[in-house]
Amino acid sequence: EIVLTQSPATLSLSPGERATLSCRASPSVSSYLAWYQQKPGQAPRLLIYDASNRATGIPARFSGSGSGTDFTLTISSLEPEDFAVYYCQHRSNWPITFGQGTRLEIK
Amino acid sequence: QVQLVESGGGVVQPGGSLRLSCAAFGFTFSSYGMHWVRQAPGKGLEWVAFIRFDGTYKYYADSVKGRFTISRDNSKNSLYLQMNSLRAEDTAVYYCANQLRLGDLYTNWFDPWGQGTLVTVSS
Repeated sequence: EIVLTQSPATLSLSPGERATLSCRASPSVSSYLAWYQQKPGQAPRLLIYDASNRATGIPARFSGSGSGTDFTLTISSLEPEDFAVYYCQHRSNWPITFGQGTRLEIK
Repeated sequence: QVQLVESGGGVVQPGGSLRLSCAAFGFTFSSYGMHWVRQAPGKGLEWVAFIRFDGTYKYYADSVKGRFTISRDNSKNSLYLQMNSLRAEDTAVYYCANQLRLGDLYTNWFDPWGQGTLVTVSS
């Protein structure tokens, strides 16, 4: 089973700042990594797939990078609606697994 | 637009059974693989099961293998999850989600998701 480790567990930033979230895979998942955003009481929403492709309707301030074992989700300038929990997920093989999540909170 | 609506959640005793349903609207259901994903209260996401668009392949998480069965009825645009021998640790919100298709490529990215249905296993 592939283990995804996200860091930090909590990130405290202010609107307008840049956010950098990390996801480390063990072993490698090539580019088969996605990022999701989840707000309280809502279902998750796909943001990024195949490491760097934005899903339909996702603003350009969200970007993904990385391959192999190290991946990054960057939010270039935080909007108030971006404060949420973010999960990474792989589809390299079965079983599909998620990271434990990073909570992005308002400082 | 694409919509997934789960139902069938509720309170059940340990060892009991429950059947979840997911109704699909706004797309050709028979052309998409489908997943169940769950989230225990205050916890992260856990993938549960997958079924291919035609029902010929199914995969399960080890935590539910042998107890849960995923199925679908393409004539009714519906996905199901039969849950038997339920345990306290199965308590969670259960989401159904589409397999994202990129042209002719089927990917196991989840998009979109339903709103979820809560299953509580408690005596």
